[in-house]
Amino acid sequence: NAGVTQTPKFRVLKTGQSMTLLCAQDMNHEYMYWYRQDPGMGLRLIHYSVGEGTTAKGEVPDGYNVSRLKKQNFLLGLESAAPSQTSVYFCASSGREYGYTFGSGTRLTVV
Amino acid sequence: GIQVEQSPPDLILQEGANSTLRCNFSDSVNNLQWFHQNPWGQLINLFYIPSGTKQNGRLSATTVATERYSLLYISSSQTTDSGVYFCAVELMDSSYKLIFGSGTRLLVRP
Repeated sequence: NAGVTQTPKFRVLKTGQSMTLLCAQDMNHEYMYWYRQDPGMGLRLIHYSVGEGTTAKGEVPDGYNVSRLKKQNFLLGLESAAPSQTSVYFCASSGREYGYTFGSGTRLTVV
Repeated sequence: GIQVEQSPPDLILQEGANSTLRCNFSDSVNNLQWFHQNPWGQLINLFYIPSGTKQNGRLSATTVATERYSLLYISSSQTTDSGVYFCAVELMDSSYKLIFGSGTRLLVRP
């Protein structure tokens, strides 16, 4: 049982490039989330999904897009990367009674 | 929006000491969770605790929802307890979103 798997684990982008971060969960959870963590700060919610085919904005959605075409996958896209998007990105899924399960994170650097 | 404040921001302990971490929140919430982020960055769910007290080994947590705070107790601390402890509250809507505090950074010295 892998839980929540994020790919890639590390990535360096040049300003203006695009990329997609993949999150996959095998727990049949309805709810999935993308957070970013910056140094010395807690996690901030970017986008989330309450079920297959649904997405919604969180606290800091600008510059990001998401898709949830399949229940087990939640994709986070950066169309035109900026240095301000340098961060560690965490995906999570929720099974309600047992709280959140987080992936191991993706460390993204935009130069 | 809701504010989640954690104290202290930093804490240094000698191995074997006990500690209490606090989380205050500014509005009613559906639920509250405590997480430990280890030095490698991994986030581990410690407690899912909307109210009352729960214990797991040397760790226990108490949430008093009516007074809008939660406490995390660490007893007989070990070096492996080092890392950042986050409190996160679940908003009272249907999304089950979590809003995180800024964390307490704990260092346990041998």
